[in-house]
Amino acid sequence: GQSLEQPSEVTAVEGAIVQINCTYQTSGFYGLSWYQQHDGGAPTFLSYNALDGLEETGRFSSFLSRSDSYGYLLLQELQMKDSASYFCAVLDTGRRALTFGSGTRLQVQP
Amino acid sequence: DTEVTQTPKHLVMGMTNKKSLKCEQHMGHRAMYWYKQKAKKPPELMFVYSYEKLSINESVPSRFSPECPNSSLLNLHLHALQPEDSALYLCASSQDGTITYQETQYFGPGTRLLVL
Repeated sequence: GQSLEQPSEVTAVEGAIVQINCTYQTSGFYGLSWYQQHDGGAPTFLSYNALDGLEETGRFSSFLSRSDSYGYLLLQELQMKDSASYFCAVLDTGRRALTFGSGTRLQVQP
Repeated sequence: DTEVTQTPKHLVMGMTNKKSLKCEQHMGHRAMYWYKQKAKKPPELMFVYSYEKLSINESVPSRFSPECPNSSLLNLHLHALQPEDSALYLCASSQDGTITYQETQYFGPGTRLLVL
């Protein structure tokens, strides 16, 4: 089976840097994805790591350590619009479908 | 165009009603998905269609009936729902649903369903 753990809530101030962690247990692993979802909105793809290391996309970076079954999403220069829920996800190779973590609600304060 | 559209945006129905949710994508994707999402929870997979064939049914009650008329369209037919079925229903699509790599899924805005 698949199991992903994330903190339920994180609070930070505008302009700061925040890290959202994800630990996973999975049988068969292709990589770790991150999705962002604003309240009332659709999940949107942010980042994907198939290999160990850091992937950078503008203000967002994602890191993966396969040996530690751990990854994180790093958000820099936080803006109010970054307030949203963030989900890590892995591909369940048995079901051939994504399994999402429980989600981390990020609150950015002025 | 990376858009998945869903109609209607909101739906209120009684427990004896029959209604349908619709989803459309024009990205040439061959895999389409239905998810159910309750407040403050992650999306839960319901059904997967790959090349217009149902490939996954996550033990969803028969009051939910999916249909994939063609590669661009996905429907979810609803009948005799219960109040606990009230949720956001999300449609998503991806390249072809293979497991050779972890495809990006593109989500529609969802239909917010209230069952009275």
